[in-house]
Amino acid sequence: NAGVTQTPKFQVLKTGQSMTLQCAQDMNHNSMYWYRQDPGMGLRLIYYSASEGTTDKGEVPNGYNVSRLNKREFSLRLESAAPSQTSVYFCASSEAGGGSYNEQFFGPGTRLTVL
Amino acid sequence: GQQLNQSPQSMFIQEGEDVSMNCTSSSIFNTWLWYKQDPGEGPVLLIALYKAGELTSNGRLTAQFGITRKDSFLNISASIPSDVGIYFCAGGTGANSKLTFGKGITLSVRP
Repeated sequence: NAGVTQTPKFQVLKTGQSMTLQCAQDMNHNSMYWYRQDPGMGLRLIYYSASEGTTDKGEVPNGYNVSRLNKREFSLRLESAAPSQTSVYFCASSEAGGGSYNEQFFGPGTRLTVL
Repeated sequence: GQQLNQSPQSMFIQEGEDVSMNCTSSSIFNTWLWYKQDPGEGPVLLIALYKAGELTSNGRLTAQFGITRKDSFLNISASIPSDVGIYFCAGGTGANSKLTFGKGITLSVRP
């Protein structure tokens, strides 16, 4: 099992360009998440999908959109990239439902630089 | 909103020493999780705690779920160079699938 996979690993964009970060999990998890990690800020939730067909905003959703394509895949889109979106982006998944279902498993990350 | 406090931001220890990290909150959590992030990688789950007062070990790691449900600690014994990384605590309420993360502690181990 690959767990959570993310593509691409690295990306450089110019201000105003758009791109989609892809995430897939093979653990049959119900919930999926997108975080960004900046130095000294920890992990901040951008959007999450509690179950297939639903998405909700997290702590820092501005400038992003998401799509839960199916149970396995959850993509994050930057419509018009800004330098403030330079960050490391992590996708995670969990079975969800309380107790051990809260455990989230992370992908390897996408390192994005916006010039 | 809910916040988890981890301090200090960085810790420096000598190889072989034990180290303890705390995570505190003003809110109650029903689940406490500890993650480690190696440089250039995603966070990896180390230990999960589900009951107040619970003490759980995983090799050289020991973690406890505070009796008030507002704190947790992680202890690493006999540190080795590969313990270097960022250690995050996370709390879950069970009301939804979200976790609240601390800002992490960067651990350095001097050989």
